[in-house]
Amino acid sequence: GAGVSQSPSNKVTEKGKDVELRCDPISGHTALYWYRQSLGQGLEFLIYFQGNSAPDKSGLPSDRFSAERTGGSVSTLTIQRTQQEDSAVYLCASSLAEYEQYFGPGTRLTVT
Amino acid sequence: AQSVAQPEDQVNVAEGNPLTVKCTYSVSGNPYLFWYVQYPNRGLQFLLKYITGDNLVKGSYGFEAEFNKSQTSFHLKKPSALVSDSALYFCAVRDSRGFQKLVFGTGTRLLVSP
Repeated sequence: GAGVSQSPSNKVTEKGKDVELRCDPISGHTALYWYRQSLGQGLEFLIYFQGNSAPDKSGLPSDRFSAERTGGSVSTLTIQRTQQEDSAVYLCASSLAEYEQYFGPGTRLTVT
Repeated sequence: AQSVAQPEDQVNVAEGNPLTVKCTYSVSGNPYLFWYVQYPNRGLQFLLKYITGDNLVKGSYGFEAEFNKSQTSFHLKKPSALVSDSALYFCAVRDSRGFQKLVFGTGTRLLVSP
């Protein structure tokens, strides 16, 4: 079946602009996760959603970052007033049970 | 708090030789342990997991990993390496309680030479 998809695959934006990154999880997966991969920081957890529970936002680096998940499916990660240090690959993952997470191909964000 | 250490930035092995990629972890409670592989410009692909049961777990592409509770290790192994195994490998851990984030190691680059 279809895996996790993310769009866009690449995004170049100017410093100070807002960006939205989209994630389509595997159908039926109840949990959805966002991570960030950068050279200096490795793989960092950002936020996760599980069913109707309040999301765990403990990994969001600043209040410029926010995410929502509509209808228990698609998720959007929004970064406001982007900074150069936001440049990274943003990875989305989903899982059905509380075990392995399946990752999408990522969105490469470059802030100029 | 959970943590993972991958002590080797890079592992070099000749094709046909056995390979080991090391991972040690720290977690409160029972660990759930995972290995993922990342090819250039790709997302992470799940290889294998340890949840409970047999300490030796088998995964995709002929990989296996051994859970050692006393040494808090979960090393990735393969009896005979292929050039196509060259990639970046990540070990990850999470606590066994509920849905939770994965904590990743810094990754180990595996280079298999012909």
